[in-house]
Amino acid sequence: NAGVMQNPRHLVRRRGQEARLRCSPMKGHSHVYWYRQLPEEGLKFMVYLQKENIIDESGMPKERFSAEFPKEGPSILRIQQVVRGDSAAYFCASSKEFNQPQHFGDGTRLSIL
Amino acid sequence: AQKITQTQPGMFVQEKEAVTLDCTYDTSDPSYGLFWYKQPSSGEMIFLIYQGSYDQQNATEGRYSLNFQKARKSANLVISASQLGDSAMYFCAMRGYNTGTASKLTFGTGTRLQVTL
Repeated sequence: NAGVMQNPRHLVRRRGQEARLRCSPMKGHSHVYWYRQLPEEGLKFMVYLQKENIIDESGMPKERFSAEFPKEGPSILRIQQVVRGDSAAYFCASSKEFNQPQHFGDGTRLSIL
Repeated sequence: AQKITQTQPGMFVQEKEAVTLDCTYDTSDPSYGLFWYKQPSSGEMIFLIYQGSYDQQNATEGRYSLNFQKARKSANLVISASQLGDSAMYFCAMRGYNTGTASKLTFGTGTRLQVTL
């Protein structure tokens, strides 16, 4: 009974490159959420998606960041032209319904050189 | 807007003792949920316990209990019989159940708990 799966666990990119973070929700969950955790801080909401739809992207930076959750396959958080400030842990969570507890993956640690 | 405040950046507790981690919150939503998560040094986020704002009783899960005082807007986590494996960062979080706030969890800044021998 797999939980939320995120990959890669660690990702290193040089400034200006693209980063793609993947998240497969728990079986039976169709609601996906992305959060960002800067060092020594709590998690900050970025975006909420339901299959093929972005429901709430109020926490997403206006530029360079995008997210999708296609009909088939994992949810993808994409960061274009990464900068040093993008270094953080990115967590994905999923829930069965929007008002049920969110279960988190192990996160992707993104480091920008 | 929702806000979670955790005023204890770090706490120490001796093994087998109980410890209380403080959490206060602020929200305008009449209905909301409160959560505690544990983040060990390995980095994953582990769900511990949930309290709904209209639940009559305080939530308990094994050694974890949530001391919910609605009038004071506090949702403290109590860990009984601390174990060395409880050493971790602990985050309090909340979610309102209005349409505009139901999707996101708002987190506090966390409390780092160290269990000593």
